[in-house]
Amino acid sequence: GENVEQHPSTLSVQEGDSAVIKCTYSDSASNYFPWYKQELGKRPQLIIDIRSNVGEKKDQRIAVTLNKTAKHFSLHITETQPEDSAVYFCAATFSGGGADGLTFGKGTHLIIQP
Amino acid sequence: DTAVSQTPKYLVTQMGNDKSIKCEQNLGHDTMYWYKQDSKKFLKIMFSYNNKELIINETVPNRFSPKSPDKAHLNLHINSLELGDSAVYFCASSRPPKLYFGPGTRLTVL
Repeated sequence: GENVEQHPSTLSVQEGDSAVIKCTYSDSASNYFPWYKQELGKRPQLIIDIRSNVGEKKDQRIAVTLNKTAKHFSLHITETQPEDSAVYFCAATFSGGGADGLTFGKGTHLIIQP
Repeated sequence: DTAVSQTPKYLVTQMGNDKSIKCEQNLGHDTMYWYKQDSKKFLKIMFSYNNKELIINETVPNRFSPKSPDKAHLNLHINSLELGDSAVYFCASSRPPKLYFGPGTRLTVL
């Protein structure tokens, strides 16, 4: 099955600086890589995703890059703000009997220091 | 924001009891899931149903039994609850590959 590694587990940055979270995956057949943001006590919410036929995708202050050869993908947040503080999860698809499921990384706790 | 809903939001119970969590989605998706998030925030898939049929059953004790009466509902029944079952359980639905989570049920076993 798919194995997703995520680093770092905790990331503290100054407000206004950039944050980068990195993930690697094991299954070369994976073709969809979403990122979820989970605020304290709330559900994980999809913030950006990328498919395997694209190398980079950007949405305002967040961007995701994918290197299929190396099997790693990254989340970049620029001009960080206090509301960016949350746990971020990367994920990759795996196939299980016909319904794709997601394998999640272990999460990165992003702390924005004022 | 009620596309995927779960009840109850909190569940506190004694070891050995049997409990159920209900999930409903109104997105018209064919695929629904149960994920478990432990105290370290790890999110792990438990079950997947596609159009009422069990597709994925990860290594989960058989005390956990999902039931899907129709494709908009996926309930989770847990028998003989143990301390280690304490976690947040998220229902989710998908028109693959995008996944949408419910609000979660925090289960505490005493």
